[in-house]
Amino acid sequence: AQTVTQSQPEMSVQEAETVTLSCTYDTSESDYYLFWYKQPPSRQMILVIRQEAYKQQNATENRFSVNFQKAAKSFSLKISDSQLGDAAMYFCASMNSNSGYALNFGKGTSLLVTP
Amino acid sequence: ETGVTQTPRHLVMGMTNKKSLKCEQHLGHNAMYWYKQSAKKPLELMFVYSLEERVENNSVPSRFSPECPNSSHLFLHLHTLQPEDSALYLCASSQETDWTEAFFGQGTRLTVV
Repeated sequence: AQTVTQSQPEMSVQEAETVTLSCTYDTSESDYYLFWYKQPPSRQMILVIRQEAYKQQNATENRFSVNFQKAAKSFSLKISDSQLGDAAMYFCASMNSNSGYALNFGKGTSLLVTP
Repeated sequence: ETGVTQTPRHLVMGMTNKKSLKCEQHLGHNAMYWYKQSAKKPLELMFVYSLEERVENNSVPSRFSPECPNSSHLFLHLHTLQPEDSALYLCASSQETDWTEAFFGQGTRLTVV
């Protein structure tokens, strides 16, 4: 079974600053993927970034990047130059082929962005 | 605009009612999912359909009954629900050629009274 843990229920960042959201996971699989999803008040889950476990290079999407530490089973999300529109719930998730390609989510971190 | 549309957006039902949630995807995907999102809990996978066949049922009570008549539509039929079933129900779809990118609908906020 896979478990995903987000230890920060809430985080706050000032506009234009950088914030890091933490995530750890536990899996016995060797082939898996990790994701960060954003859920704004509109409720729609939006994929922010994804990382293949076999790739050592950290994924980057514009202002979003991850710090993937495979041995430590850690997958943190860094948001640079934070914007007001980044305020949302952020969910870390994992997936492997044995789970029917379904996502296994953490409890989420609520990110507040202050002007 | 989302490629995955869920209706209704909000639903209030009594414990003796029968209702259905609908999900439609316009992305040409061949896998669809139902997730339940309750307050203070991680999203829970309920059902997975791949090529219109159910491939996973995560020990969901029988008062929830999924239906996938074709690759574009997914339903969740509800009957004799309990107040603890109140939650946000999210539908998602993905393509097996790129199953790592799931697209979600905006969910149905269900309240059982």
